[in-house]
Amino acid sequence: DGGITQSPKYLFRKEGQNVTLSCEQNLNHDAMYWYRQDPGQGLRLIYYSQIVNDFQKGDIAEGYSVSREKKESFPLTVTSAQKNPTAFYLCASSFPRGTYTGELFFGEGSRLTVL
Amino acid sequence: AQSVSQHNHHVILSEAASLELGCNYSYGGTVNLFWYVQYPGQHLQLLLKYFSGDPLVKGIKGFEAEFIKSKFSFNLRKPSVQWSDTAEYFCAVKLTGGGNKLTFGTGTQLKVEL
Repeated sequence: DGGITQSPKYLFRKEGQNVTLSCEQNLNHDAMYWYRQDPGQGLRLIYYSQIVNDFQKGDIAEGYSVSREKKESFPLTVTSAQKNPTAFYLCASSFPRGTYTGELFFGEGSRLTVL
Repeated sequence: AQSVSQHNHHVILSEAASLELGCNYSYGGTVNLFWYVQYPGQHLQLLLKYFSGDPLVKGIKGFEAEFIKSKFSFNLRKPSVQWSDTAEYFCAVKLTGGGNKLTFGTGTQLKVEL
């Protein structure tokens, strides 16, 4: 089945450790996104990438890093510089450039808890 | 910067009641508007969208939304809710020509009681 796979689903880490969340899609989408979801704050954009080897900061990029070496993959690293990393992280993708319909396709999310 | 406001954070309704969830955005230019829904334990999915044309748009599961440009609003409605509509609802805005970046509201948690 086509879709977006995020892993791991749950992750526990100690404070000060970097963690990397995986996001893979087989929808042949050019654009991929990382959002953070916190109760009462909705979804906030961390980073997005419209094409391979290119990405832009979103609204809350500080303390995060990404790479886009392959079309299918857009991993997110939560670094020790992120002051409040405990959250639910959502990866999404959208149709190729030029055929954008506005619809984002989301993965099931990764819940990170920093102890 | 653009922003999206959803004033109802928690809504509780009985089955068969009518629903209206508010969404206002702050941007004077041309926008595309969306409602997404997140059912318990499921991933976010698109409910409906407005790009242009008829300001009253219909989505899945009997939902509709009306774009009122003068009020910068895109409220979601359903005439008669069901228990299965219990979910969190998010309004989102995209600037036309602004790439594929969506700005989401804070969400409204809807609980429908039997």
